Amino acid sequence: GIQVEQSPPDLILQEGANSTLRCNFSDSVNNLQWFHQNPWGQLINLFYIPSGTKQNGRLSATTVATERYSLLYISSSQTTDSGVYFCAVKGGAAGNKLTFGGGTRVLVKP
Amino acid sequence: NAGVMQNPRHLVRRRGQEARLRCSPMKGHSHVYWYRQLPEEGLKFMVYLQKENIIDESGMPKERFSAEFPKEGPSILRIQQVVRGDSAAYFCASSHTGSTEKLFFGSGTQLSVL
Repeated sequence: GIQVEQSPPDLILQEGANSTLRCNFSDSVNNLQWFHQNPWGQLINLFYIPSGTKQNGRLSATTVATERYSLLYISSSQTTDSGVYFCAVKGGAAGNKLTFGGGTRVLVKP
Repeated sequence: NAGVMQNPRHLVRRRGQEARLRCSPMKGHSHVYWYRQLPEEGLKFMVYLQKENIIDESGMPKERFSAEFPKEGPSILRIQQVVRGDSAAYFCASSHTGSTEKLFFGSGTQLSVL
């Protein structure tokens, strides 16, 4: 099935810093989403972005489908940005299911 | 407009008992997905259902696990004769249509097997 790799696995930021999270995938996709899992376990859908660029406040995302990667940008990070960020994709031979990467664990220190 | 509702939030079972996890999708959504998350790991796909149909159960263990999404009522994930290795967070997600849609997740059910 499709493979999804996220980097870095862990990230420690000082409040106010900017960061970039990366998601590489092994096959063509028709669906790519970024999620934030907060420290209480809730999964929040940040972006639906199979291609192109989107922005939502301090967060933005870019997917270059032809090169099989997506980037999530966090600007002016806040402590509430802490948690785990997951990239998930659908595509390839197994088109029914959203396959998750291993996540990037982010800790923003005050 | 309520989101995806899962209950119970926490479920404790002894080895050998049955666990039933419920998921009510968002209003108007007819596609339901179940995922399992082990501690410190990502989410693993289990099963994809539409009303009265199992579309893809390739991630579900062949024994002890079953899922349904009846015409009326919530989707149910059933685990028979639970073992300690079944302890995990189980998340349900729903979407309006199929593969090219945003998924919305419930808050999950934390299953603990004693």
